[in-house]
Amino acid sequence: RKEVEQDPGPFNVPEGATVAFNCTYSNSASQSFFWYRQDCRKEPKLLMSVYSSGNEDGRFTAQLNRASQYISLLIRDSKLSDSATYLCVVNMRSGNTPLVFGKGTRLSVIA
Amino acid sequence: DADVTQTPRNRITKTGKRIMLECSQTKGHDRMYWYRQDPGLGLRLIYYSFDVKDINKGEISDGYSVSRQAQAKFSLSLESAIPNQTALYFCATSDKLGTVGVEAQHFGDGTRLSIL
Repeated sequence: RKEVEQDPGPFNVPEGATVAFNCTYSNSASQSFFWYRQDCRKEPKLLMSVYSSGNEDGRFTAQLNRASQYISLLIRDSKLSDSATYLCVVNMRSGNTPLVFGKGTRLSVIA
Repeated sequence: DADVTQTPRNRITKTGKRIMLECSQTKGHDRMYWYRQDPGLGLRLIYYSFDVKDINKGEISDGYSVSRQAQAKFSLSLESAIPNQTALYFCATSDKLGTVGVEAQHFGDGTRLSIL
């Protein structure tokens, strides 16, 4: 099983739609989880951290399911500007190892 | 000013040349990283450093070397560049978060490197 696995997409959705991405991770001991956004040929930018209790930031909601070892990102009322690649990021071991980045899920929001 | 600055932003060079990519940060973070990104392959870790003088190999360190002489600076060298090292290179930093979990990483703008 890959350490961090994401559906590469693309997800093509109309403006205003709700879209959800899942990401699975292999290490049940992982403690830190993040979603990043990356625009084409730009640097990845932190979108949100994912907490055990889940968290919401405007139109974005992140959830963690430890039992099934996946995290999710829900985007409501999609905007054209949401078009990007979304990277799932997890720490695989202790705090003394780098984060592991998934390869990303590509989202295209269409007018 | 950017918190994580990479220089140069773009570089075109020839096979066999030695190249150095620089990264400097004003975030005061102890941890720094170098990644490369190729289409379809995602981010791949080259080297990372958790403190000055601390150097660790990542997933794809062959053909690369790094230097961490100061907390704020982490440089990546290609000793003898080859065409398959053509890629987008990112530097990132993070803070330490106790013994449980890790802080998120913050990326520089990237260096586009082309080796002919």
